[in-house]
Amino acid sequence: SQQGEEDPQALSIQEGENATMNCSYKTSINNLQWYRQNSGRGLVHLILIRSNEREKHSGRLRVTLDTSKKSSSLLITASRAADTASYFCVPTQGGSEKLVFGKGTKLTVNP
Amino acid sequence: EPEVTQTPSHQVTQMGQEVILRCVPISNHLYFYWYRQILGQKVEFLVSFYNNEISEKSEIFDDQFSVERPDGSNFTLKIRSTKLEDSAMYFCASSPLAGNTEAFFGQGTRLTVV
Repeated sequence: SQQGEEDPQALSIQEGENATMNCSYKTSINNLQWYRQNSGRGLVHLILIRSNEREKHSGRLRVTLDTSKKSSSLLITASRAADTASYFCVPTQGGSEKLVFGKGTKLTVNP
Repeated sequence: EPEVTQTPSHQVTQMGQEVILRCVPISNHLYFYWYRQILGQKVEFLVSFYNNEISEKSEIFDDQFSVERPDGSNFTLKIRSTKLEDSAMYFCASSPLAGNTEAFFGQGTRLTVV
């Protein structure tokens, strides 16, 4: 399994603005998942995009995947204070069920 | 909505003592995991469990650690002789299927070794 590298490390925005987080990875994948972690609490799965998909939506979330560039992005539209959390991208491939988490992007949404 | 539950939420133990962290995965899930997160650090994989045996483990998961699914609903992590450096948040997770599907995490047990 490989680790995703999230960028930026920290992002601070105002409520109502959009937040974009980027992810890069190194080798080919089966799918890529995004998780959220509120301060020190459990991780919450947000969205999974398969390697043959280019874009996926879930509520206010939009994820893109560019396998040629080995990159993904997570867009949160109309952000809320409750979106304040760390966000992790987790690229996965066959042969292992484990998830490898990077340092994440720490998003702060100011009311 | 089904969820993974972990008990206790916080455990304080003396160095050298044994601790058992408990988890109840989502009932129809087949894959079970333990992860840990030392304060301020990344979430780290410890072990995965499928069909009543360990399917994968990390270097962290040495002989002082063991996992068990004693009764078909609980999934436990035992740390035999705790060290100060075992202090961390321990997360249990479960997945319904193989193939890198989404994992559902519990809220964690904060283990403090003193």
